Amino acid sequence: DAKTTQPPSMDCAEGRAANLPCNHSTISGNEYVYWYRQIHSQGPQYIIHGLKNNETNEMASLIITEDRKSSTLILPHATLRDTAVYYCIVRVGGGGADGLTFGKGTHLIIQP
Amino acid sequence: DVKVTQSSRYLVKRTGEKVFLECVQDMDHENMFWYRQDPGLGLRLIYFSYDVKMKEKGDIPEGYSVSREKKERFSLILESASTNQTSMYLCATSMVGNYGYTFGSGTRLTVV
Repeated sequence: DAKTTQPPSMDCAEGRAANLPCNHSTISGNEYVYWYRQIHSQGPQYIIHGLKNNETNEMASLIITEDRKSSTLILPHATLRDTAVYYCIVRVGGGGADGLTFGKGTHLIIQP
Repeated sequence: DVKVTQSSRYLVKRTGEKVFLECVQDMDHENMFWYRQDPGLGLRLIYFSYDVKMKEKGDIPEGYSVSREKKERFSLILESASTNQTSMYLCATSMVGNYGYTFGSGTRLTVV
């Protein structure tokens, strides 16, 4: 899987949009961008994934640059419960049963 | 709601004991995984299974074995527990295809 780079930590005010960046400059054409988060003492939670187009679901939006070398996860109205470590993962599509490679992620802290 | 259930939230075992960690899913997912998570090291894949009775080694299989006799259940076995196996253990499942993984809540194992 291609390597990703994320800032180690970020702060965001409650109610504001949280924008989490991820660089994946060596991404291949058949690799998807996945985002997960892990709230303290819980298992990771899947958020969203995409290949080329921007994606939106009930949790977040994913913006992927045209060259696909970076992406941004957007939480539109952050709440205190969004405080977590957010992981950006790049992997080949097709759902292979070869596991995920988690980096260190970004610790997002939502401030009241 | 999709569910991955791990049998114990917290477990304390003695060195040399045989330890079984159980994971049960109710989603009919083909793929199941065992990870361990340690501070500073992130999530590391121990074993995975893409079908009943099938298993593949992950990145750190030494000291562990697995069993998948039924589609919904994936067991992680520590044949002779050691203190360096003290960790958070996470089970995950996925369907074949470009889908996210669903994680259990984790089992925090302490070997004394």
